[in-house]
Amino acid sequence: EVQLVESGGGLVQPGGSLRLSCAASGFTFSSYAMSWVRQAPGKGLEWVSTISAGGGTTYYADSVKGRFTISRDNSKNTLYVQMNSLRAEDTAVYYCAKDQGNYYDSSGVWGKGTTVIVSS
Amino acid sequence: EIVLTQSPGTLSLSPGERATLSCRASQSVGSNYLAWYQQKPGQAPRLLIYGASSRATGIPDRFSGSGSGADFTLTISRLEPEDFAVYYCQQYGGSPKTFGQGTKVEIK
Repeated sequence: EVQLVESGGGLVQPGGSLRLSCAASGFTFSSYAMSWVRQAPGKGLEWVSTISAGGGTTYYADSVKGRFTISRDNSKNTLYVQMNSLRAEDTAVYYCAKDQGNYYDSSGVWGKGTTVIVSS
Repeated sequence: EIVLTQSPGTLSLSPGERATLSCRASQSVGSNYLAWYQQKPGQAPRLLIYGASSRATGIPDRFSGSGSGADFTLTISRLEPEDFAVYYCQQYGGSPKTFGQGTKVEIK
């Protein structure tokens, strides 16, 4: 069974940093692109970032470009996002998702999410 | 950036009725790379449709997607109690990937 388990969320002050992790199992992790998608409280879905299967290509939403860095460790079947210079508007549930292809695709399987709260 | 506009914002229907949800793009979506997701309260989204009209694994055939270019539709032929939820469209034909604002399907 495909499983994605996010961790690393929590309360952080504005301007602070946080690293989220997503542990993957049940599929060949290195064969699929992976994405982060977030959802602010009571709001819709916002795509954050995608990384290709091999890790060589990354994409970012303008709202996080220059502050967030997506990465992956295919030897550990784990996806990461390093979030720096956090703002109140980054408060959201962050979902990790397995894309359908190896490069840039729709997201076929999602984790349950981890909550990030940016507040003083 | 491609902006997706979903309509209506809320759809009030009874079980057994047909639901028709619209997703219009501000420009043509490359290769019709348009997906639909369902989200229930407190749950992660679930992929229903990709490539505008292909059902994802395990999705019942009462869900169907259609459309091309900049105009797409999700149809639920006969609403089941478990179908009342929020539905989002997403385009992945270009960067950034973008989502519509969602359509809530509620019980009338």
